Amino acid sequence: AQSVSQHNHHVILSEAASLELGCNYSYGGTVNLFWYVQYPGQHLQLLLKYFSGDPLVKGIKGFEAEFIKSKFSFNLRKPSVQWSDTAEYFCAVTTYNNNDMRFGAGTRLTVKP
Amino acid sequence: NAGVMQNPRHLVRRRGQEARLRCSPMKGHSHVYWYRQLPEEGLKFMVYLQKENIIDESGMPKERFSAEFPKEGPSILRIQQVVRGDSAAYFCASSPSRVAADEQYFGPGTRLTVT
Repeated sequence: AQSVSQHNHHVILSEAASLELGCNYSYGGTVNLFWYVQYPGQHLQLLLKYFSGDPLVKGIKGFEAEFIKSKFSFNLRKPSVQWSDTAEYFCAVTTYNNNDMRFGAGTRLTVKP
Repeated sequence: NAGVMQNPRHLVRRRGQEARLRCSPMKGHSHVYWYRQLPEEGLKFMVYLQKENIIDESGMPKERFSAEFPKEGPSILRIQQVVRGDSAAYFCASSPSRVAADEQYFGPGTRLTVT
C-alpha cells in the first residue's frame, strides 16, 4: 500500500545536538515532498519542500532535507537544535495520481534545555 | 493577505448533536482540503473540494459526515449526530491549484470535543 513512514515516534535531544528525522515513502513516479512543523497548540507550518532540482533543500529555521530517490527517502536534518524546536514534525507527499497530501504519523521532538 | 481561517477554534458538542466547522481559504485559492488529526496520529485526508464541487471524498466516513464549498462563503464540514470518536482536530487547507502542482496552506484547525 502507498504510505509515508516516519520511523521515529519520539526523539529526545539536548540543546546543540544534531538532528536527523527519517521519512520514507512508497509511491512510484514523480513525487513532491514536504516537511511541516506543528508547535504545541498551533497549526502546521511549512518547513521546506521539494518539487524538483537540487535534492538538498534548505528551509526555514536552519532545517534542511535531502531527497534520495533511490532510497525513497526525504530525511530532515538540523546541525544544532534549540529548545524552541520542540514540536511535532510531519513528512508529507503529494503525487500526480492523488488529490490529497499524504502524511506520516509524525515525530515528536523534545529538546532539553 | 490573510491566511486560511477556520472557526470556531474550539467546539464542544454532546453526543448526538451536530457540529459545523467552517473554513475560509486564502484569497485567490479555489481548492480546499479537509483533514482530521486524531491524538498521536498524523493528518488523514477527508475530502477535496473546489467551488460548488466535491472532487474527492474518498477519506470521508460514509455516514454522518458531509462537506460543501458553496459559490459564496466558506467551506463547511458538517458532522451529524456526533460520537465520542469524532473528537479530533480538523484542519482545512487551501491551494491555488490542484495539490500535485502546488503546496497547501493550512488553517489553525478546529478542535472538536464530544462529551
